[in-house]
Amino acid sequence: DIQMTQSPSSMSVSLGDTVTITCRASQDVGIYVNWFQQKPGKSPRRMIYRATNLADGVPSRFSGSRSGSDYSLTISSLESEDVADYHCLQYDEYPYTFGAGTKLELK
Amino acid sequence: EVQLVESGGGLVQPGRSLKLSCLASGFTFSNYGMNWIRQAPGKGLEWVASISSSSSYIYYADTVKGRFTISRDNAKNTLYLQMTSLRSEDTALYYCARHGGFAYWGQGTLVTVSS
Repeated sequence: DIQMTQSPSSMSVSLGDTVTITCRASQDVGIYVNWFQQKPGKSPRRMIYRATNLADGVPSRFSGSRSGSDYSLTISSLESEDVADYHCLQYDEYPYTFGAGTKLELK
Repeated sequence: EVQLVESGGGLVQPGRSLKLSCLASGFTFSNYGMNWIRQAPGKGLEWVASISSSSSYIYYADTVKGRFTISRDNAKNTLYLQMTSLRSEDTALYYCARHGGFAYWGQGTLVTVSS
């Protein structure tokens, strides 16, 4: 199975920060990585699809990138509404696998 | 507007069975593969099962293989997850999500396995 190693598991952040979360895939998953935001009591919301594409309605301060087997989600100029959990997903190969998640908390 | 509405969750004893449903609307259900994904309390997301649009291809996570069955009724726009031999570790919020990039998720239905 493909492992998605997500880091960090948690991050203490300030408003206005630039935040980067990374998932490393244990095997080649090509472009088939999504990023999801999840707030307490809510369903996951797709933020980035196919590694680098901004989902509909997502603010442009969010971006996705890929360097080899490392996939990153970057939030520029963090706003209060961005404080949430973030998850990566590889859907290149079954079984699909998620990263363990990253929790953003305000300092 | 795409909507996915899960139902069927509840409290069930270990070893018993439960069947979840996901009613889809706002898109042509028969054109899309579908997924079940779960989230144990306070934990991350875990993909559970996928089914292709015509039910030709079905995949399961090893943790549920042989115990859970994913199915669909395209005439009823409904996705199902039949869960048998339930264990305490199956306790989770179960989401259905549309294939084609996982853009759409339901609100989830809670399954609690406890005696």
